[in-house]
Amino acid sequence: LAKTTQPISMDSYEGQEVNITCSHNNIATNDYITWYQQFPSQGPRFIIQGYKTKVTNEVASLFIPADRKSSTLSLPRVSLSDTAVYYCLVGNMNRDDKIIFGKGTRLHILP
Amino acid sequence: NAGVTQTPKFRVLKTGQSMTLLCAQDMNHEYMYWYRQDPGMGLRLIHYSVGEGTTAKGEVPDGYNVSRLKKQNFLLGLESAAPSQTSVYFCASSYEAGGLNTGELFFGEGSRLTVL
Repeated sequence: LAKTTQPISMDSYEGQEVNITCSHNNIATNDYITWYQQFPSQGPRFIIQGYKTKVTNEVASLFIPADRKSSTLSLPRVSLSDTAVYYCLVGNMNRDDKIIFGKGTRLHILP
Repeated sequence: NAGVTQTPKFRVLKTGQSMTLLCAQDMNHEYMYWYRQDPGMGLRLIHYSVGEGTTAKGEVPDGYNVSRLKKQNFLLGLESAAPSQTSVYFCASSYEAGGLNTGELFFGEGSRLTVL
């Protein structure tokens, strides 16, 4: 399982774009990168998943450089409701593989 | 469509008591997971299941047992509860596509367990 490293916490302001970077230096060829969002007192929620280059959905964008040793979750024009913990996970899709969460990044959006 | 439902949502136990947490999903998902989350921490995988009748150990399996007798249910048991098992427990499920686990987890609302 590839180990991931994320900042423990980040602050930003409403209306700004927020980028959270995750390092995964020992990512394997078959590994995918997945991001989750967790609000207080709730279970995590899937945000986005990618393998390489760029993936975009209605919530966020995921940028993955060619060497895949890091990835960046981009949240456009954040609001107070984006205050949450964001988790970066790396792993392949094999049936028997464990899905392991790290400590995540605590994002605090200020007015 | 209920998604992933956990029962009970809250429970207080005394040390040494036993209990079972039930997780039910109505999405016909192959994979199910039990995690625990302690204050200010990330989620830690306790046990998981890749299909009906199968279970496997996660990161922190000691003190817990699980069963997946039906595809839609995943039970987490504590045979002799200890204060160190005070935590919030989350169940999750994911689906298969093309013979692979999509890795898209759907979580329940959590079960808050306190062991005195």
